Amino acid sequence: DADVTQTPRNRITKTGKRIMLECSQTKGHDRMYWYRQDPGLGLRLIYYSFDVKDINKGEISDGYSVSRQAQAKFSLSLESAIPNQTALYFCATSDSGRGFTGELFFGEGSRLTVL
Amino acid sequence: AQKITQTQPGMFVQEKEAVTLDCTYDTSDQSYGLFWYKQPSSGEMIFLIYQGSYDEQNATEGRYSLNFQKARKSANLVISASQLGDSAMYFCAMSLQADRGSTLGRLYFGRGTQLTVWP
Repeated sequence: DADVTQTPRNRITKTGKRIMLECSQTKGHDRMYWYRQDPGLGLRLIYYSFDVKDINKGEISDGYSVSRQAQAKFSLSLESAIPNQTALYFCATSDSGRGFTGELFFGEGSRLTVL
Repeated sequence: AQKITQTQPGMFVQEKEAVTLDCTYDTSDQSYGLFWYKQPSSGEMIFLIYQGSYDEQNATEGRYSLNFQKARKSANLVISASQLGDSAMYFCAMSLQADRGSTLGRLYFGRGTQLTVWP
């Protein structure tokens, strides 16, 4: 099983629907992130959390919300999906402990299509 | 603002040849880390190599090496002896304060370079 698991892996939905992408990790890392990937734009940070009580907006947080239910779980919600939120979404983790470099460990991605 | 620039949207290389993927970065911080990730067509992100800003030697991992030129703020990835399986998107990324004690730790990504290896 993957250390960082995202569900669903693929989702097609309609404009205006509420969507939740879930992420769970077994790496024991304290930090979790949601990134969005669009062709030609690389990965852009949506939200990040350094522990359960610490959640921060990234570069493109408008239209998104997150919840850190436990150290191992970090979910991303689109309250009312719109077509330009069609993208590949990645959850990632990192460990702030000894030897920290900033390396991210990624989930397999969730491909979301909003019609 | 932090910035990573990858100027090559696409690169082509023949199998068994070496290829260099360019990356420049912009930061006023003294302590930072540089990464390269590979994304094959299946979509997952695979960590390749890391270089800390205070590391004196260029990082190497098997066929991958990072050509770190601090004064030029460049962190090019060199892949030696290319293989067909190297065909993928490659992302350069930077973290701030790569040393212990970082309070940030988020990665900033470039837009990627699509590498195609032909037989």
